[in-house]
Amino acid sequence: DSGVTQTPKHLITATGQRVTLRCSPRSGDLSVYWYQQSLDQGLQFLIQYYNGEERAKGNILERFSAQQFPDLHSELNLSSLELGDSALYFCASSRRPRGGETQYFGPGTRLLVL
Amino acid sequence: AQKITQAQTEISVVEKEDVTLDCVYETRDTTYYLFWYKQPPSGELVFLIRRNSFDEQNEISGRYSWNFQKSTSSFNFTITASQVVDSAVYFCALSEAYETSYDKVIFGPGTSLSVIP
Repeated sequence: DSGVTQTPKHLITATGQRVTLRCSPRSGDLSVYWYQQSLDQGLQFLIQYYNGEERAKGNILERFSAQQFPDLHSELNLSSLELGDSALYFCASSRRPRGGETQYFGPGTRLLVL
Repeated sequence: AQKITQAQTEISVVEKEDVTLDCVYETRDTTYYLFWYKQPPSGELVFLIRRNSFDEQNEISGRYSWNFQKSTSSFNFTITASQVVDSAVYFCALSEAYETSYDKVIFGPGTSLSVIP
């Protein structure tokens, strides 16, 4: 158990809908990352937050957004969902937003868009 | 640009055999970190090891060992006396270490290991 929690574990929805994925980092970790894992793209970095502020963006679509709250939990919002958004979404956390820090991953949310 | 190559897409071994997973990386940085993660069939990503570019000392932890060679840009992972529970996808990853860059982690495509009883 990494100490990172994600809810829900599974999510099934329809195209055009909007969903929110939730992540709680390990105790003491200030940095949260979101990743998308799909069969064709592999593991891709989406976005990073540190202590409530966006720190870096990766391959995140404009239809996706995220935020980190004062209690450090984070939410990833996916809107106008398409079939291709079906994937495993991981949240990870680390102590500091510094290169080389080990990122600990949550169990993931498996999203299926029908 | 940073890149991780895991040439072995799938490996099958019989239980108790030793198996080595290859990882070759590319980076222009002189300071960097390398990681191995394991993703069992249940789906979670499990951290295994982190190694910085200044520490080429190889490590053994139980049945696991890692061979880091800067001269060949390789960071290979060996499982000794494999067990069925080792069946998983193994990812090699690379991270820059500069303060000014965000801690971007690049993952390789993964190697799927099947240990057959």
